[in-house]
Amino acid sequence: GAVVSQHPSWVICKSGTSVKIECRSLDFQATTMFWYRQFPKQSLMLMATSNEGSKATYEQGVEKDKFLINHASLTLSTLTVTSAHPEDSSFYICSARGLAGDGLRLYGSTDTQYFGPGTRLTVL
Amino acid sequence: GQNIDQPTEMTATEGAIVQINCTYQTSGFNGLFWYQQHAGEAPTFLSYNVLDGLEEKGRFSSFLSRSKGYSYLLLKELQMKDSASYLCAPMDSNYQLIWGAGTKLIIKP
Repeated sequence: GAVVSQHPSWVICKSGTSVKIECRSLDFQATTMFWYRQFPKQSLMLMATSNEGSKATYEQGVEKDKFLINHASLTLSTLTVTSAHPEDSSFYICSARGLAGDGLRLYGSTDTQYFGPGTRLTVL
Repeated sequence: GQNIDQPTEMTATEGAIVQINCTYQTSGFNGLFWYQQHAGEAPTFLSYNVLDGLEEKGRFSSFLSRSKGYSYLLLKELQMKDSASYLCAPMDSNYQLIWGAGTKLIIKP
């Protein structure tokens, strides 16, 4: 249980183009998903919190018009990096919050965040 | 403010035991999570503590003292694959996880 997928796993694009990243919770429903960015050897930086059916809440300093988030269902959230520039090159990771189990026991809590494998974005 | 204090790096020997300490200060508290992150990969969930005491899960155990703002992760029978960063992440009153830089654990043969 608690599998979160992310697609694509890596992408290289030209400056000025837009890139869409998908995040799916495969075996549980996630009312809340999170989008993080991580630069090499730095800590995770929360970009935004996404609740199903409502607008995302962006952290201070994150441009909502540049990083578009859509959380259309309980299992899918998307992040679109619009007009990407080289400084947007980073490791983007989503997480889904929910209670997961293996059919016999439940672990974590309803607040446990399970992470996708991440998307490495390189903007040329 | 909110902050987390963990050692930047630790080294241990294969087969041994290592304890990674974490002290934290948060606005409110709703539990503490430990995650493992291998280089170039996303974090994976290890443990969750909300009450004081020890939670054991196989080779990994996590301890919490809320009054002291202190937690530790104990790894037994270390294996080479345990080389990774270990992230202590308390959850604040808004149910947001607070992230630090983590502890890079190096396992030597």
